[in-house]
Amino acid sequence: AQTVTQSQPEMSVQEAETVTLSCTYDTSESDYYLFWYKQPPSRQMILVIRQEAYKQQNATENRFSVNFQKAAKSFSLKISDSQLGDAAMYFCAYKGVFNDMRFGAGTRLTVKP
Amino acid sequence: GAGVSQSPSNKVTEKGKDVELRCDPISGHTALYWYRQRLGQGLEFLIYFQGNSAPDKSGLPSDRFSAERTGESVSTLTIQRTQQEDSAVYLCASSLARGGFYSPLHFGNGTRLTVT
Repeated sequence: AQTVTQSQPEMSVQEAETVTLSCTYDTSESDYYLFWYKQPPSRQMILVIRQEAYKQQNATENRFSVNFQKAAKSFSLKISDSQLGDAAMYFCAYKGVFNDMRFGAGTRLTVKP
Repeated sequence: GAGVSQSPSNKVTEKGKDVELRCDPISGHTALYWYRQRLGQGLEFLIYFQGNSAPDKSGLPSDRFSAERTGESVSTLTIQRTQQEDSAVYLCASSLARGGFYSPLHFGNGTRLTVT
């Protein structure tokens, strides 16, 4: 099965600053999707952004963008102009052609006022 | 529209008892997933349904765990002879399989299981 690795258990950022969360994955598939989900204390999982492996252009959603490096199997999330409401657990996820979905261990993001 | 619904939201049970957790996916979503999340940890994959069949059961931790889905809708996750190590939040998610693997997962709010 594919594995997803998030090497940063915790990160912190000053409000209005930029932070990057790292994610790497292991796969032998050529096409797949990658996702970032946010889980605030309410424990509701919220989709932040997604990227198709065949698209070279990095996905962007408002203040959230990704740096997708297919050859390196890296998929980092950049949060610009961080806000207090961005504080949460962030999970990187991989979805393959068989529709299975695997998650990383998560990164806890703290935003300091 | 209605999202993924899980019940109960909280369940406290005694060690050795059986429990059933229920998931109602979004209408029309043919793919359904169960995950376990221990306190402060990531999502551990348990099982995935495509329609009523489960092509991937590799994540079920032991034979005390089973899941079924009927009518391409409701799914139940059953844990027999619960142990304290089973205490966790059990998350259910669904997605549009017809949309291909582009479709994101939509999650319920989870069932918090506490085994005393």
